[in-house]
Amino acid sequence: DTAVSQTPKYLVTQMGNDKSIKCEQNLGHDTMYWYKQDSKKFLKIMFSYNNKELIINETVPNRFSPKSPDKAHLNLHINSLELGDSAVYFCASSPAGVTEAFFGQGTRLTVV
Amino acid sequence: GQSLEQPSEVTAVEGAIVQINCTYQTSGFYGLSWYQQHDGGAPTFLSYNALDGLEETGRFSSFLSRSDSYGYLLLQELQMKDSASYFCAASGSARQLTFGSGTQLTVLP
Repeated sequence: DTAVSQTPKYLVTQMGNDKSIKCEQNLGHDTMYWYKQDSKKFLKIMFSYNNKELIINETVPNRFSPKSPDKAHLNLHINSLELGDSAVYFCASSPAGVTEAFFGQGTRLTVV
Repeated sequence: GQSLEQPSEVTAVEGAIVQINCTYQTSGFYGLSWYQQHDGGAPTFLSYNALDGLEETGRFSSFLSRSDSYGYLLLQELQMKDSASYFCAASGSARQLTFGSGTQLTVLP
């Protein structure tokens, strides 16, 4: 009965490919996020969505496109993958007051 | 925008008490939260402070001073399993949740 689930857990792909990561939360939260965690463990926010609408779009390449079909889902599509995209990507959700966030298990993306 | 600073590493022995500090610069600040992350795992929520003062949850306590833009996480009776990375995070307007760079805690036997 996972609260925030994202798939796949591991993703190995070649440069130039397009890939998607899916995220779903069953907590009824209004806000969902995508974070990128690099090898130095810094958690950098990429996108924040509230009720299917984009709230924050930090400085990320436009090769990254989030899609929120409904409040419970926030998928991440990445075009033309580059070596520097290799990282762990976390989906998270939070209630309206952003008092706490619940994270998915993470997707370790390796671009070769 | 928001930025948070915390020490990169802290080392302590089992049974000891350790304090991890966090200073923040932010607009539209709502509150400060703390997360624990073990290697290979996902960040998990520990505590949240919206008001000044100390919040206690078992062996872990968190403190906030809004006037000083400062908070800390206090871990008591350290155990080996507490070895992990600890992140402070600031909640702000526009549903922002910005994380510090993390503190790697190593607990020695």
